[in-house]
Amino acid sequence: DAKTTQPTSMDCAEGRAANLPCNHSTISGNEYVYWYRQIHSQGPQYIIHGLKNNETNEMASLIITEDRKSSTLILPHATLRDTAVYYCIVRVATSGTYKYIFGTGTRLKVLA
Amino acid sequence: DTGVSQNPRHKITKRGQNVTFRCDPISEHNRLYWYRQTLGQGPEFLTYFQNEAQLEKSRLLSDRFSAERPKGSFSTLEIQRTEQGDSAMYLCASSGIAGAYEQYFGPGTRLTVT
Repeated sequence: DAKTTQPTSMDCAEGRAANLPCNHSTISGNEYVYWYRQIHSQGPQYIIHGLKNNETNEMASLIITEDRKSSTLILPHATLRDTAVYYCIVRVATSGTYKYIFGTGTRLKVLA
Repeated sequence: DTGVSQNPRHKITKRGQNVTFRCDPISEHNRLYWYRQTLGQGPEFLTYFQNEAQLEKSRLLSDRFSAERPKGSFSTLEIQRTEQGDSAMYLCASSGIAGAYEQYFGPGTRLTVT
């Protein structure tokens, strides 16, 4: 029941921007897009989220297309510590809260 | 600042045995979630608590699984009569007040059923 599709893996040179795409063509109007990352054997870590406007925080930027069918997570200056699996997630409403629908993620390898 | 903690971190058990995992959420968070993650896959939602009430259960949660959150604090997830297909990482997450729904995940409990 995944609502997102992502490339399986990507490489990025250290110091360069990493651009991770995500398709969410069936997203509903009130469903947010979240990005988390998971470093080996740890729990997922929150990065950023958005609804329809572009967002930026200290970790990353999120660019959402006008039709909301896709988005791109940008890590502006990738470091070796950014090597991880990155999940694009649709947040859906349920029983007084929200649950995350994870995809299979993109394995990003940052190369020295 | 203590995050979400889970115990044990690793559990190896024989098929047919019962196992119980514990999750301690961030102290002021009233919402608690359990997810399961198998190798190479993203986490899948299992169940959710608001305070002590279990408000949603995924169809993935068979009748061998039971979760509780007494007094709305820590939570336990029990698996009875474990099967090899139960081998996975079990993740717990918590979130806080209305309007701030970011979920904070614990490190997970890795279960191996032999």
